Amino acid sequence: ETGVTQTPRHLVMGMTNKKSLKCEQHLGHNAMYWYKQSAKKPLELMFVYNFKEQTENNSVPSRFSPECPNSSHLFLHLHTLQPEDSALYLCASSRTVDNEKLFFGSGTQLSVL
Amino acid sequence: GQNIDQPTEMTATEGAIVQINCTYQTSGFNGLFWYQQHAGEAPTFLSYNVLDGLEEKGRFSSFLSRSKGYSYLLLKELQMKDSASYLCAVRLSGNTPLVFGKGTRLSVIA
Repeated sequence: ETGVTQTPRHLVMGMTNKKSLKCEQHLGHNAMYWYKQSAKKPLELMFVYNFKEQTENNSVPSRFSPECPNSSHLFLHLHTLQPEDSALYLCASSRTVDNEKLFFGSGTQLSVL
Repeated sequence: GQNIDQPTEMTATEGAIVQINCTYQTSGFNGLFWYQQHAGEAPTFLSYNVLDGLEEKGRFSSFLSRSKGYSYLLLKELQMKDSASYLCAVRLSGNTPLVFGKGTRLSVIA
């Protein structure tokens, strides 16, 4: 148990669906992240939030829309995804953006049909 | 661009020692991290090196040479539960997120 909880663990969606991924951390951290993990590729940073403000958007397509209502919760809203978006989506948090230790959730395994 | 290289897969025998290497060519350097990720689970922090040398933590040790852009993770007395992916990650500067390598999948066999 890392203190970072992601739901759902698995998600199958069609290309026209709208769905949301949820992340919650109970560690009192101020920075939260979304990463994409595809087979045989490095972890790809998608978004960074520091004290609820988005500080980094790593050229992510607009069909991925993040939301951070408070420092403990992070969402990733998905709309009109493509099959190549199928991957493991990992949420992480850290005490601050310049803190070295990331705590990851177990991820959402997403399949886009 | 940033480049971090690790072997894709390694196999080692239970009870043995294995060394997983990581080389990096990056525009900055402010620390190197190793994470362990079991299949279907969250990556978990193993070690952090910012100065040259060896850091030992139980069965796991991590080494860094900044001049060579090189690190390794050393696992001793391998156990079956050590079968996992090992991710090398570099922090480029003080307040930038980590850049990850592709990870090394280690299989421990009897």
